[in-house]
Amino acid sequence: DTEVTQTPKHLVMGMTNKKSLKCEQHMGHRAMYWYKQKAKKPPELMFVYSYEKLSINESVPSRFSPECPNSSLLNLHLHALQPEDSALYLCASSQTDRGSYGYTFGSGTRLTVV
Amino acid sequence: AQSVTQPDIHITVSEGASLELRCNYSYGATPYLFWYVQSPGQGLQLLLKYFSGDTLVQGIKGFEAEFKRSQSSFNLRKPSVHWSDAAEYFCAVGPEGQGAQKLVFGQGTRLTINP
Repeated sequence: DTEVTQTPKHLVMGMTNKKSLKCEQHMGHRAMYWYKQKAKKPPELMFVYSYEKLSINESVPSRFSPECPNSSLLNLHLHALQPEDSALYLCASSQTDRGSYGYTFGSGTRLTVV
Repeated sequence: AQSVTQPDIHITVSEGASLELRCNYSYGATPYLFWYVQSPGQGLQLLLKYFSGDTLVQGIKGFEAEFKRSQSSFNLRKPSVHWSDAAEYFCAVGPEGQGAQKLVFGQGTRLTINP
């Protein structure tokens, strides 16, 4: 398995809703990432998990809450989002044992906040 | 701080023509360099990567890139483009070493193919 799987592919939520994005990989990668991408912009790093521990939080608002239950799963819990949070949310993973091999990205979750 | 510049926001080429997308980086140590491609509404797919060794790197879909340390460049090339190559292309730089890697992406170059 050489993929990163993200669910759902599309999500519409109200500003008072609570929802979660899910990311899964079975490549044995021990680093996992959440990125946010607005239209016509590069991905912006949100969070990095290394060996299931949060290692980087790029000053993301607390309405985004990441979770790494095990080495294969990464969740992003969403609560009280704003319309400006509408974007493509990308999950990625990478190897950690032999240097930078680059990321494997999922296809993303298109989030619309109404 | 590391940075990546893609000077061309949008490039249009005819199908069958050659292609070169430019990428310049700023990095204090040995960089790890990547090119990714993104089709509309999709995630990013790794085209190729450079760590060390041969400065001409071959990737998927017929793409290649050349690392030129003296020019701090890592330009992407393809001898003959196909309509399916229309997409957004991102150059990225990352640190050497083990552990989680924080990649820095350029602003992207949108490629349009004329029939």
